[in-house]
Amino acid sequence: DAGVTQSPTHLIKTRGQQVTLRCSPKSGHDTVSWYQQALGQGPQFIFQYYEEEERQRGNFPDRFSGHQFPNYSSELNVNALLLGDSALYLCASSFGGELFFGEGSRLTVL
Amino acid sequence: GENVEQHPSTLSVQEGDSAVIKCTYSDSASNYFPWYKQELGKRPQLIIDIRSNVGEKKDQRIAVTLNKTAKHFSLHITETQPEDSAVYFCAASQGSQGNLIFGKGTKLSVKP
Repeated sequence: DAGVTQSPTHLIKTRGQQVTLRCSPKSGHDTVSWYQQALGQGPQFIFQYYEEEERQRGNFPDRFSGHQFPNYSSELNVNALLLGDSALYLCASSFGGELFFGEGSRLTVL
Repeated sequence: GENVEQHPSTLSVQEGDSAVIKCTYSDSASNYFPWYKQELGKRPQLIIDIRSNVGEKKDQRIAVTLNKTAKHFSLHITETQPEDSAVYFCAASQGSQGNLIFGKGTKLSVKP
């Protein structure tokens, strides 16, 4: 079982650019959540996808959008990048219970 | 919305001592309280969780207690070992499928 896999692991962008991060959930999991973890902080909830629909959303601007595919994999898109978007982006999957986190995608915005 | 406060931010103990980390939450509707351990550069991993219908839960050297009236919950680690050194996060949510609100973390250092 591969667990939750995320790509890319690291990336560098400049202000104003757009980024797409990808997540494959743990086998058998149908729910995907995305979190942003700034350095030295706890993860902050961005949104959750279930059955290809956004089920819940945290306090993040519309620049943050997502998608879930029929195979339950998911993408996180961030437009018009700001310096403050630099963080570790964590994907977590679940199936009616415990959240399993991926290793994250570390985004640096210059 | 929910707000989770976590203390202390750093904790240093000698190997074999106990460590206690405390969290408070604000939303009385929260009913699921997990604890995560995050080693440097790694993903958060669930170490124990508790639901609001239970006051205490133990798993070997780790225990969690919940006081619903006071809206606080605590993580207790006994007989600490150097491999327990990591950042620990508490979290709260409505249901285990709900979005988790995390505390800011406690950096635990266990000295040999």
